[in-house]
Amino acid sequence: AQTVTQSQPEMSVQEAETVTLSCTYDTSESDYYLFWYKQPPSRQMILVIRQEAYKQQNATENRFSVNFQKAAKSFSLKISDSQLGDAAMYFCAYRSFYGGATNKLIFGTGTLLAVQP
Amino acid sequence: GAVVSQHPSWVICKSGTSVKIECRSLDFQATTMFWYRQFPKQSLMLMATSNEGSKATYEQGVEKDKFLINHASLTLSTLTVTSAHPEDSSFYICSARALLGGSGGNEQFFGPGTRLTVL
Repeated sequence: AQTVTQSQPEMSVQEAETVTLSCTYDTSESDYYLFWYKQPPSRQMILVIRQEAYKQQNATENRFSVNFQKAAKSFSLKISDSQLGDAAMYFCAYRSFYGGATNKLIFGTGTLLAVQP
Repeated sequence: GAVVSQHPSWVICKSGTSVKIECRSLDFQATTMFWYRQFPKQSLMLMATSNEGSKATYEQGVEKDKFLINHASLTLSTLTVTSAHPEDSSFYICSARALLGGSGGNEQFFGPGTRLTVL
């Protein structure tokens, strides 16, 4: 079974600085998706970024980028130029590529990010 | 982007009563919907997966007779907490997935959640 591990329960960053959130996962599959979700205090889950395992190029969305190391099974999220609105719980998630629409997202335990003004 | 709504956003009920939570995909058809439960400062725990027109698949440890899920249409799924007790108090989140050309592209969208408090 697949597992997702986030070893940093809490992180803090100064506004305008850069922070990296860690995520490791375990799987025997070769094709899969990895995601970072943001859950602000409103508790609405928001997709931040998505990575397909077959793509070697790291995904980037504006100030958010990932460092995907497939061999190491590592998927870290880098937030550049941190803003107060980035303060949230961040979840790393895994989903198998095969199996269709019923495939489950497997979530990590989350990292609570605080942004200091 | 695709929108998923939940109703109600919060509900308070007495112990022993039943509560129904609705989840709707507003601008797409959801072949699959997921129901999660989340305790404060914890991750999302998948309760069940439902496909339109068929019985839900429950995760291990989730009482299917207590948490009734009905995926009546491609835009509506409901979760009914039957004979609710204080330990059922939690934040419930639904998620809907649209099937876009097979397993490679289907995205999953989340509702805003429902806070249930059982007195």
